Amino acid sequence: AQSVSQHNHHVILSEAASLELGCNYSYGGTVNLFWYVQYPGQHLQLLLKYFSGDPLVKGIKGFEAEFIKSKFSFNLRKPSVQWSDTAEYFCAVSSNDYKLSFGAGTTVTVRA
Amino acid sequence: EAGVAQSPRYKIIEKRQSVAFWCNPISGHATLYWYQQILGQGPKLLIQFQNNGVVDDSQLPKDRFSAERLKGVDSTLKIQPAKLEDSAVYLCASSFATGGLYEQYFGPGTRLTVT
Repeated sequence: AQSVSQHNHHVILSEAASLELGCNYSYGGTVNLFWYVQYPGQHLQLLLKYFSGDPLVKGIKGFEAEFIKSKFSFNLRKPSVQWSDTAEYFCAVSSNDYKLSFGAGTTVTVRA
Repeated sequence: EAGVAQSPRYKIIEKRQSVAFWCNPISGHATLYWYQQILGQGPKLLIQFQNNGVVDDSQLPKDRFSAERLKGVDSTLKIQPAKLEDSAVYLCASSFATGGLYEQYFGPGTRLTVT
């Protein structure tokens, strides 16, 4: 079974700052990669996903992620965060069995 | 469209008691998932249904947890008897079908506290 590691437990930054959240996984085969977000008081929802093709994936709300196969990484980025990006972010991986394995999550707090 | 519905939203019970959670997936979604999310961790899959059949229950503690989806729509997850370590948020999700291409839609979760 694959494992997923998220580098930061809690990130605090100011509006307009750039954000990068790290995600590494352990599985060596073909993987599908996801970032989910949970805004305060809301459901977990899909932010973006990668299956194949261009390793730079663009998602909703200006987020993007880059798949680097050699580093087993799928880092999430946003060039300029807003207060409304305050949320918990989860990286998830699935392989051939399509079962999602989640990281522990990173809480992002954006200060106005 | 209506999202995944779960009830109750919160539940507090004493250890050794039993508890049940209910999930109504998005209409037309064949695949239903139950996850357990312990504080400070990501969701962990407990069981996956395809229509009313179990696809994967390898991480379900079967000595105390059970789940069913009798008519291929609603599902219930039961814990009997509960232990302190079962305190967690129980998430239900559904997808149109099984497979990585199909997005999983999550419900609001049921927060269980076992005292």
